[in-house]
Amino acid sequence: DVKVTQSSRYLVKRTGEKVFLECVQDMDHENMFWYRQDPGLGLRLIYFSYDVKMKEKGDIPEGYSVSREKKERFSLILESASTNQTSMYLCASSFPQLNTEAFFGQGTRLTVV
Amino acid sequence: DAKTTQPPSMDCAEGRAANLPCNHSTISGNEYVYWYRQIHSQGPQYIIHGLKNNETNEMASLIITEDRKSSTLILPHATLRDTAVYYCIVRGFNAGNNRKLIWGLGTSLAVNP
Repeated sequence: DVKVTQSSRYLVKRTGEKVFLECVQDMDHENMFWYRQDPGLGLRLIYFSYDVKMKEKGDIPEGYSVSREKKERFSLILESASTNQTSMYLCASSFPQLNTEAFFGQGTRLTVV
Repeated sequence: DAKTTQPPSMDCAEGRAANLPCNHSTISGNEYVYWYRQIHSQGPQYIIHGLKNNETNEMASLIITEDRKSSTLILPHATLRDTAVYYCIVRGFNAGNNRKLIWGLGTSLAVNP
């Protein structure tokens, strides 16, 4: 089975901390994505990567950065966590072709206090 | 990418067919229709996708109208485990956007005993 694994299911961090969310996929997918999901707002794309060391901003990149040093791993970094970054974070991966589906991790519920 | 419109919520009796509609009137010729679902507190799960023809797999059937402006996801015998939020997404080749999925708020399906 395809697996997209996120490093933590639940995370509590303090305001101002640097936070790393890790995502690993085992399907050799070129594309990887980070979304956040908030009630009433749906899934919003933060960043995506289409190859190692390649990244593009999504719809809400402010306050976030990403790193993709290896094909299977895509990290989301909150440089200085703030309470408005409390959310569910979802990682996904896919092949680049249109006719392929995306696979999601189980999500990380981050609370910033 | 074309936008989609779905009813915010629906009910279905256990054992009956659940028919979830989606409107995508601005879809263009090379755009696929994808369906995902998200069970509470989990990552979205791929269900099915199609371009022009109707599709069926072990989970569901997808009926796309001839003009491709709308589609219906059919769960033939809904169970309580099908209670979830169902997302209809259109994905196509658009410079800069061909790698992304644009998510709406979906339909919250409640399967009742």
